[in-house]
Amino acid sequence: GENVEQHPSTLSVQEGDSAVIKCTYSDSASNYFPWYKQELGKGPQLIIDIRSNVGEKKDQRIAVTLNKTAKHFSLHITETQPEDSAVYFCATNTGFQKLVFGTGTRLLVSP
Amino acid sequence: DSGVTQTPKHLITATGQRVTLRCSPRSGDLSVYWYQQSLDQGLQFLIQYYNGEERAKGNILERFSAQQFPDLHSELNLSSLELGDSALYFCASSVGSSGTKETQYFGPGTRLLVL
Repeated sequence: GENVEQHPSTLSVQEGDSAVIKCTYSDSASNYFPWYKQELGKGPQLIIDIRSNVGEKKDQRIAVTLNKTAKHFSLHITETQPEDSAVYFCATNTGFQKLVFGTGTRLLVSP
Repeated sequence: DSGVTQTPKHLITATGQRVTLRCSPRSGDLSVYWYQQSLDQGLQFLIQYYNGEERAKGNILERFSAQQFPDLHSELNLSSLELGDSALYFCASSVGSSGTKETQYFGPGTRLLVL
């Protein structure tokens, strides 16, 4: 079945630094790649997504890049702020009509 | 606030019991998805309903079942509960039938503890 690997599992940065989280997937048919942010005690919230017909998408301080040849995609957060602290999940679709999620990255932004 | 509501917020029960989790999707959304989040398994897709019909199935145990009612709310029934069923259960909704290509909006979850 589809497998999504996510790294790192934890990431600590100083406020103002950039953070990068990477995911790799195995199904070459995958064509939708969302990123979710989960704060403590809350459900995952979509922060950005990308489809396979583009290589990069940006929304203010957040960007996602996709390399379909290498089967990996990354989340980039610039000028990090303490409120960016959360668990981030990548995901992708499969031929079995479901989203498969990565194992999550706990991001801690220190003031 | 995603617009997806889930009740109850917390549930404590004993092994062997049966519980029902409830979800109301965002206004206008026809699909409901159920996920289980545990520490060792991460976020796992269980099942999807679209406009009352089962649309896709994931790693859902036979002891678990779900349904979507005419008003589009959904219920997830968990029976013969085991300790390992303790987890966060999330409901998500989307507009159309293809939640693998469109945004899924997650509810706040139900935390189930089986003692």
